[in-house]
Amino acid sequence: DTGVSQNPRHKITKRGQNVTFRCDPISEHNRLYWYRQTLGQGPEFLTYFQNEAQLEKSRLLSDRFSAERPKGSFSTLEIQRTEQGDSAMYLCASSPGTAYYGYTFGSGTRLTVV
Amino acid sequence: TQLLEQSPQFLSIQEGENLTVYCNSSSVFSSLQWYRQEPGEGPVLLVTVVTGGEVKKLKRLTFQFGDARKDSSLHITAAQTGDTGLYLCAGETDSGYALNFGKGTSLLVTP
Repeated sequence: DTGVSQNPRHKITKRGQNVTFRCDPISEHNRLYWYRQTLGQGPEFLTYFQNEAQLEKSRLLSDRFSAERPKGSFSTLEIQRTEQGDSAMYLCASSPGTAYYGYTFGSGTRLTVV
Repeated sequence: TQLLEQSPQFLSIQEGENLTVYCNSSSVFSSLQWYRQEPGEGPVLLVTVVTGGEVKKLKRLTFQFGDARKDSSLHITAAQTGDTGLYLCAGETDSGYALNFGKGTSLLVTP
């Protein structure tokens, strides 16, 4: 297994456009997390899946954000009508169980909204 | 509101020096983890501590979990340039599914 894979690595988009990011977790991991990280900050939790079920969503996840994990495999994070404040690194992580087991993070998708 | 406070925010030292970074909270954690992140990459897990008072060593890195499971420290002995990076602590509470991260300590080790 090559770890957690995120695509694309970089995305530049114009304000108002929609963007979609993909995350392929480690295949044995049933838990998947999305975080957002801005410069000088630690990762901020966005949402969590256990298999295909979305079990927790942060208040940071406005109506413009939606995440899916069909069939409990890969996940997508979509941002509609992007705003400049959405510019950040979007990180995906997976784990085989509770946080005790540790997260394996992908390299992230760097979003720039111009 | 930041659940985990890390200090110092920035640290610049020379190779061979020792350092300690801190992670503090008013919340009790069932487990606490330390990660290291390099620019443009995701965080990489260094250690997990679960028992109050626990001390774990990873080569030149020593991690300690406070007795009350509210705070932690990371001590690096004889720092090397390869230790440069952002050190993040993250805690798991009984009431949440996901890890809460601190803002991190940015460490620069110069030759």
